[in-house]
Amino acid sequence: GENVEQHPSTLSVQEGDSAVIKCTYSDSASNYFPWYKQELGKRPQLIIDIRSNVGEKKDQRIAVTLNKTAKHFSLHITETQPEDSAVYFCAASRNTGGFKTIFGAGTRLFVKA
Amino acid sequence: DSGVTQTPKHLITATGQRVTLRCSPRSGDLSVYWYQQSLDQGLQFLIQYYNGEERAKGNILERFSAQQFPDLHSELNLSSLELGDSALYFCASSVEANSPLHFGNGTRLTVT
Repeated sequence: GENVEQHPSTLSVQEGDSAVIKCTYSDSASNYFPWYKQELGKRPQLIIDIRSNVGEKKDQRIAVTLNKTAKHFSLHITETQPEDSAVYFCAASRNTGGFKTIFGAGTRLFVKA
Repeated sequence: DSGVTQTPKHLITATGQRVTLRCSPRSGDLSVYWYQQSLDQGLQFLIQYYNGEERAKGNILERFSAQQFPDLHSELNLSSLELGDSALYFCASSVEANSPLHFGNGTRLTVT
């Protein structure tokens, strides 16, 4: 079945450093790749997304890249701040043959002040 | 506030019982998704509805069922509950497929 692998499961960085989270998807029909941030005890919230016709997208300190050939996509956070500490989920979605959004297992990011 | 309402917030029940979780999607959203999140785990996709029809199914147990009503609200029914069903159940909605999901605050189910 469809699967999204996410690495690393835990990431600890110093404030001001960059953080990179990588995901790989298996369903070649996936064409929409959102990223969600879940703070402790709260609901997941969308932080950035990318569609399959785009290779890169940036929003301030957050960027996402997509390599369709390799079925890889990555989240890049620059100049990390303590408030970036949370669990980050990648997801892969398609709109044909069954509209599933499958999530990766999550990455717990710790930003040390 | 995401605009997605889930009730109840907390539910404590015993093994073998049946419960119903309710979700009202964001105004204008036709798709409703249900996810299960166990302690410190990821988001397991259960099922998705679009405008009243089931569109996709994930790892949903036979003891679980769901439906979306004409007013677009959705219910997730969990029966013959087991200790392992204890989790946070999220409902999310979206305008259409391949658009951002808006999550509710979840229902925390504890089975004792």
